[in-house]
Amino acid sequence: DIQMTQSPASLSVSVGETVTITCRASENIYSNLAWYQQKQGKSPQLLVYAATNLADGVPSRFSGSGSGTQYSLKINSLQSEDFGSYYCQHFWGTPWTFGGGTKLEIK
Amino acid sequence: DVKLVESGGGLVKPGGSLKLSCAASGFTFSSYTMSWVRQTPEKRLEWVATISSGGSYTYYPDSVKGRFTISRDNAKNTLYLQMSSLKSEDTAMYYCTRDDYDEGRGHYYAMDYWGQGTSVTVSS
Repeated sequence: DIQMTQSPASLSVSVGETVTITCRASENIYSNLAWYQQKQGKSPQLLVYAATNLADGVPSRFSGSGSGTQYSLKINSLQSEDFGSYYCQHFWGTPWTFGGGTKLEIK
Repeated sequence: DVKLVESGGGLVKPGGSLKLSCAASGFTFSSYTMSWVRQTPEKRLEWVATISSGGSYTYYPDSVKGRFTISRDNAKNTLYLQMSSLKSEDTAMYYCTRDDYDEGRGHYYAMDYWGQGTSVTVSS
């Protein structure tokens, strides 16, 4: 099975800052990666698919990048509604595994 | 608007069974691959099962294969997950998801819509 390692596990940031979350796959996943946002008490929502494509309605301050085994989600100028948890998931062969998550907290 | 509403969760004893349902609306259900994903109390996400749009093909991770069965009724716009031989490690919130799948390329991209979840607790 492909292991997905996310870092950092948690991050304390202020509104307006820029943050980058990384996801490392245990083998090449050829950009078959999605990112999700989960707010407290809610279900996950799709942010990015195929490593770099924003889902419908996702603000342009979010961006995805990467290739091979290394991927990143960048959030420019954090807004209050961006706080929550973020997860990556690969789609390169089953089982489709998720990263352990990154919790973004307000400083 | 796409809407996915899960139901059927609850408290069940180890070794017991439970059937989850997911009522879909706001899109052409029969055209989409669908999945179940669970989130453990430790907040870890785990893919549980996927079914093709017509129901002919199903996929499971080893952790649930042989114990869980995903199915669908396209006439009723409803997705199901039959769970048996339940273990304590199956305790989780179970989400129904619609999948972004390109049938022409045979390629999965993401789980683009998620329901609100139904909670399953396996405990004696």
